[in-house]
Amino acid sequence: QVTLRESGPALVKPTQTLTLTCTFSGFSFTIPGMCVSWIRQSQGKALEWLGLIDWKSEEHLRPSLGTRVTISRDTSKQQVVLRMTNMDPADTGTYFCVRSFAVGISCYASSFDSWGQGALVTVSS
Amino acid sequence: AIRMTQSPSSLFTVIGDRVTITCRASQVIRTSLAWYQHKPGKGPELLIYDASTLQNGVPSRFSGSGSGTEFTLTIDSLHSEDFATYFCQQYYEFPTTFGQGTRLEIK
Repeated sequence: QVTLRESGPALVKPTQTLTLTCTFSGFSFTIPGMCVSWIRQSQGKALEWLGLIDWKSEEHLRPSLGTRVTISRDTSKQQVVLRMTNMDPADTGTYFCVRSFAVGISCYASSFDSWGQGALVTVSS
Repeated sequence: AIRMTQSPSSLFTVIGDRVTITCRASQVIRTSLAWYQHKPGKGPELLIYDASTLQNGVPSRFSGSGSGTEFTLTIDSLHSEDFATYFCQQYYEFPTTFGQGTRLEIK
């Protein structure tokens, strides 16, 4: 059974760095084609894909976020970590850790078959 | 980025009804579309991918159709557990984008 669980602070101050950890089970990055993304939902807005890390340990990020976001993984711990710098109240929302399978060599062209329940992050002073 | 527009944004309906939700893409996405169900406090669940392929374990009362720019999700004979928010996702072009969601509520 595939599970993903997000953990991290519920409250961060503006300009601080957010670090969220996704701990997963039921699959492994040793399987070619495995991808884990971070997706967020802010109040009243559509879901927004932030970035992913793939089985080759390559990171692919949403261009509009510039250099604010990094995604890394710890294979031995079965964890994927999201770091987002210079947090702003507009970054308030629920952050989801999500699995998908690459189509061919690309993680982009696929749906997401397993989701964590999400971590609510509020950015406020 | 491709814009995904869902309609309606909310729908009041009753158990047993047939429900249709529409998702329109701002440009052609062939059949690179998925539908999800989302309930409060839980992660979204994949219902349909490639516009019309039912994900394993999803009840057959859910179906999807469409290609190009217009897509529909149909729920035949609504069950009580189907009251949730539904949203679409295009994965034809990077970055993937989502619709705003359609909330099904009990009339």
